[in-house]
Amino acid sequence: DAGVTQSPTHLIKTRGQQVTLRCSPISGHKSVSWYQQVLGQGPQFIFQYYEKEERGRGNFPDRFSARQFPNYSSELNVNALLLGDSALYLCASSLYRADGYTFGSGTRLTVV
Amino acid sequence: QQQVKQSPQSLIVQKGGISIINCAYENTAFDYFPWYQQFPGKGPALLIAIRPDVSEKKEGRFTISFNKSAKQFSLHIMDSQPGDSATYFCAAGFRGQFYFGTGTSLTVIP
Repeated sequence: DAGVTQSPTHLIKTRGQQVTLRCSPISGHKSVSWYQQVLGQGPQFIFQYYEKEERGRGNFPDRFSARQFPNYSSELNVNALLLGDSALYLCASSLYRADGYTFGSGTRLTVV
Repeated sequence: QQQVKQSPQSLIVQKGGISIINCAYENTAFDYFPWYQQFPGKGPALLIAIRPDVSEKKEGRFTISFNKSAKQFSLHIMDSQPGDSATYFCAAGFRGQFYFGTGTSLTVIP
């Protein structure tokens, strides 16, 4: 079985640009969450989606948005990129909202 | 305010020894406490998790001890192996929204 897949694996963007990150959950998993992991720190919760509805949002500015599609895949969008947005963006999926989540390998975003 | 505090920041253990990592949380609404292992360039991998209705859970060489009244939980790695060298994160959450500790870098010396 395929795990959580994320694309692209690496990305370099310029300040002010917009970026879209993609995530395919494990087959059958209905909940997808996004996390930001800055180098040397633990992941920080950005969004949770369950059954295509936003169920939680962390302490991130409105420049961050996400959605979940009918096939349960998800996209994370970040507008007006700042240097501080450089991080590993992790997607995680779970069968239900409250279970342990399986993480993908992440997208390494570098903003220059 | 950091919801989950983790210590130590780094840990060096001899092969065959016991590795112990501690975490403390603030929010009594948290009802799920997972531990993740992360290797460089990879996403965190779920090791073991516990709910607050039990005080201990063991899976192979990994054991979680949970103290609800103290709002603390810890990971014990028995018979530590060089392959266990990685960064370990505790987390705590409610309805799937998790707060992570700052991580512990474990090095197991052969």
